[in-house]
Amino acid sequence: AQSVSQHNHHVILSEAASLELGCNYSYGGTVNLFWYVQYPGQHLQLLLKYFSGDPLVKGIKGFEAEFIKSKFSFNLRKPSVQWSDTAEYFCAVRDDYKLSFGAGTTVTVRA
Amino acid sequence: NAGVTQTPKFQVLKTGQSMTLQCAQDMNHEYMSWYRQDPGMGLRLIHYSVGAGITDQGEVPNGYNVSRSTTEDFPLRLLSAAPSQTSVYFCASSPALPNTHSGNTIYFGEGSWLTVV
Repeated sequence: AQSVSQHNHHVILSEAASLELGCNYSYGGTVNLFWYVQYPGQHLQLLLKYFSGDPLVKGIKGFEAEFIKSKFSFNLRKPSVQWSDTAEYFCAVRDDYKLSFGAGTTVTVRA
Repeated sequence: NAGVTQTPKFQVLKTGQSMTLQCAQDMNHEYMSWYRQDPGMGLRLIHYSVGAGITDQGEVPNGYNVSRSTTEDFPLRLLSAAPSQTSVYFCASSPALPNTHSGNTIYFGEGSWLTVV
């Protein structure tokens, strides 16, 4: 099964700062890649996904992610964060029947 | 369209008790799965099913049973609850297998908070 690594456990930012969260998975082949967000007390919501085509994927709420196949990476970015982006972010890789998640990154945005 | 529905949302069990977490989806999805979420560990796959009558183990299956008698329902049974099973449980479903042209997204339920004392 895939192993998914998220580089940061907790990121603290000020509003309007740029955000980048790293995600690497363990092996290649055809994979589907996802970023999910979980706001406090809520369930997972899909931010964006990559299946094929343009490696730069745009999602909801101004987020984007870039798939770099040679680096097995799928990093999430947002140019200017807001207080409402405070949440936990999960990278996920779907390989065969299984969706494997990273440990998550808690993002705290200070007003 | 209700999507993926999990019940109960909150449950407290005593060690050794058994219970079933219910999951139902009304989207005619073939693929269903159960995850548990623990701090610092992300979500880990417990069991999954690729269609009615077919189930398989995920990453952390011990202490849990599943069955898939219908397309809509995928209950998760805790046979003899242990404090280590205190967690948040998420059910998920998807309309097709991965790597298809449509590349279908997995939809999650709202979670079930389980405490075993």
